[in-house]
Amino acid sequence: NAGVTQTPKFQVLKTGQSMTLQCAQDMNHNSMYWYRQDPGMGLRLIYYSASEGTTDKGEVPNGYNVSRLNKREFSLRLESAAPSQTSVYFCASSEAHRGEQFFGPGTRLTVL
Amino acid sequence: GQQVMQIPQYQHVQEGEDFTTYCNSSTTLSNIQWYKQRPGGHPVFLIQLVKSGEVKKQKRLTFQFGEAKKNSSLHITATQTTDVGTYFCAGQDFGNEKLTFGTGTRLTIIP
Repeated sequence: NAGVTQTPKFQVLKTGQSMTLQCAQDMNHNSMYWYRQDPGMGLRLIYYSASEGTTDKGEVPNGYNVSRLNKREFSLRLESAAPSQTSVYFCASSEAHRGEQFFGPGTRLTVL
Repeated sequence: GQQVMQIPQYQHVQEGEDFTTYCNSSTTLSNIQWYKQRPGGHPVFLIQLVKSGEVKKQKRLTFQFGEAKKNSSLHITATQTTDVGTYFCAGQDFGNEKLTFGTGTRLTIIP
């Protein structure tokens, strides 16, 4: 089992460009999450999906959209990237909303 | 909204010394989880505490959940170089699916 996979690993964008971060899990988990990690600020939740077909905002949703394509895949879209969105993005999944979360390897995004 | 504070932000210890990180929530928690992130890596789940006053041990690591379910600690006895990394607590409110992560404590070991 691959666990949680994320693509790409690294990305550099110019201000105003758009992109989609992909995440997939092969553990048959119901819940999936997108976090961003900035120095000194821990992990902040952007969006989450408690089950296929549902999505909800987290702590810092502005500037992002998500799609729960099916039970396996949860994508994060930046429509018009800004330098403030330079960060490391982690996708995670859990079997139930109160269980341990399994994290992917992360995407390091730089917006110039 | 819920806030989770974690101290200290950094800790440098000599190999073999003990290490403790503390976590405090602004609200009563349903449960608290602890994660470890190695430099350049992703967070990895360590443990979940659910009951008031709960204490759990994993080899040299001891986790505690406060009686009021608003604070928690992680203590490492006799640190080793493999303990290097950032330790995060993450609290979950009742009736809320979201985890709120603390800011983490970065542990470095002086050999």
